[in-house]
Amino acid sequence: DIQMTQSPSSLSASVGDRVTITCRASQSISGYLNWYQQYPGKAPKLLIYAASTLQSGVPSRFSGSGSGTDFTLSITSVQPEDFATYYCQQTSKTPQTFGPGTKVDIK
Amino acid sequence: VQVVQSGAEVKRPGASVKVSCHVSGYPLSELSVHWVRQAPGKGLEWVGGFTPEDGETVSAQGFQGRLTMTEDTSTNTAYMELSSLRSGDTAVYFCATGDYGGIYFDSWGQGTLVIVSS
Repeated sequence: DIQMTQSPSSLSASVGDRVTITCRASQSISGYLNWYQQYPGKAPKLLIYAASTLQSGVPSRFSGSGSGTDFTLSITSVQPEDFATYYCQQTSKTPQTFGPGTKVDIK
Repeated sequence: VQVVQSGAEVKRPGASVKVSCHVSGYPLSELSVHWVRQAPGKGLEWVGGFTPEDGETVSAQGFQGRLTMTEDTSTNTAYMELSSLRSGDTAVYFCATGDYGGIYFDSWGQGTLVIVSS
């Protein structure tokens, strides 16, 4: 199975900060990398697919980049509603594994 | 696409549970359906779903032999049945739909809590 790691596991940020989350795959997944946002007790929400394509309706302050094994999710000017947990997911090979998550909370 | 799942279940160890996932707004036959679970306080775990490389619905290795996923296109409803339940299966089970190629999961149900307890 392809293992996904994320760093950091948690971070604290202030409203208006720029936040960057890194995701790494144990082998090349080309661009088959998605990012999800999840609030406690809620279902995940797709933010970015295919490494860098913004899902419809997602604010443009979110962006994704990377290919191969190293990927990044960036949030420019974090807003109060962005405090949540973020997961990366590879869909290159079965099983479609998720990263362990990065919790973003308020400083 | 809207996805609505069945309600919470409490089961004894060794029992089976069947969770339904009703999809509206798009034909189920033109979507990929996936099941993802989340144990209390833990991350997301893909349980099974349609995989383009196999061209069929596949279970994650730890669930093979215990997991059955079916679809009823007449009612646009997908089902996940997990048998031989153990306490470690206690989790919220999410149904998610995505593009037919299974590249991303863009619509999620609200989740179904399954508690396995004696």
